[in-house]
Amino acid sequence: DADVTQTPRNRITKTGKRIMLECSQTKGHDRMYWYRQDPGLGLQLIYYSFDVKDINKGEISDGYSVSRQAQAKFSLSLESAIPNQTALYFCATSDWPRERTDTQYFGPGTRLTVL
Amino acid sequence: GESVGLHLPTLSVQEGDNSIINCAYSNSASDYFIWYKQESGKGPQFIIDIRSNMDKRQGQRVTVLLNKTVKHLSLQIAATQPGDSAVYFCAENMGGNEKLTFGTGTRLTIIP
Repeated sequence: DADVTQTPRNRITKTGKRIMLECSQTKGHDRMYWYRQDPGLGLQLIYYSFDVKDINKGEISDGYSVSRQAQAKFSLSLESAIPNQTALYFCATSDWPRERTDTQYFGPGTRLTVL
Repeated sequence: GESVGLHLPTLSVQEGDNSIINCAYSNSASDYFIWYKQESGKGPQFIIDIRSNMDKRQGQRVTVLLNKTVKHLSLQIAATQPGDSAVYFCAENMGGNEKLTFGTGTRLTIIP
């Protein structure tokens, strides 16, 4: 969805490096999410934010941190990357409760490889 | 623990035929379900949703059926086309919790 953009789209890094993945949205949604996708495991929630001052841990937050710089921007950082953090990372937004649904809209993803 | 799962990891269907993708859920308190389509190299894309007070909802070429008695959700795609080839995920909202829980996905392959 072009309304949700992620940078970079691909990144190769080395163990121990600090990495930041960025997400921007033009949908005007308050809620933003970061997910990780591994083959065969579906989507796992890392962190989510209901507004600029409200950030919450998801299922697998260890080794990650986030920053909600503005309503439109939500960044994910890997403090010290390790090989098992190699995965696809997706950002998503939702307009709950205004839309009265929990539909989330996803960005195109970032493929991260940690060597 | 509670989970959202799929009966089959892969499904191959002849072009033009109908496809049915299934999903089981275990939390009877779940009140909202979504189907997503994920094409190779792209993020999940919303297809259709359904609330627990409904048992059927139709979209363009897609129908979602919800059977609360057996905690089963299905996605029917009519007259499948090559562009329908993708991984399909169901997602579940558990009892008013605004976080979604995703299944592992079913890969649908359309045979020409």
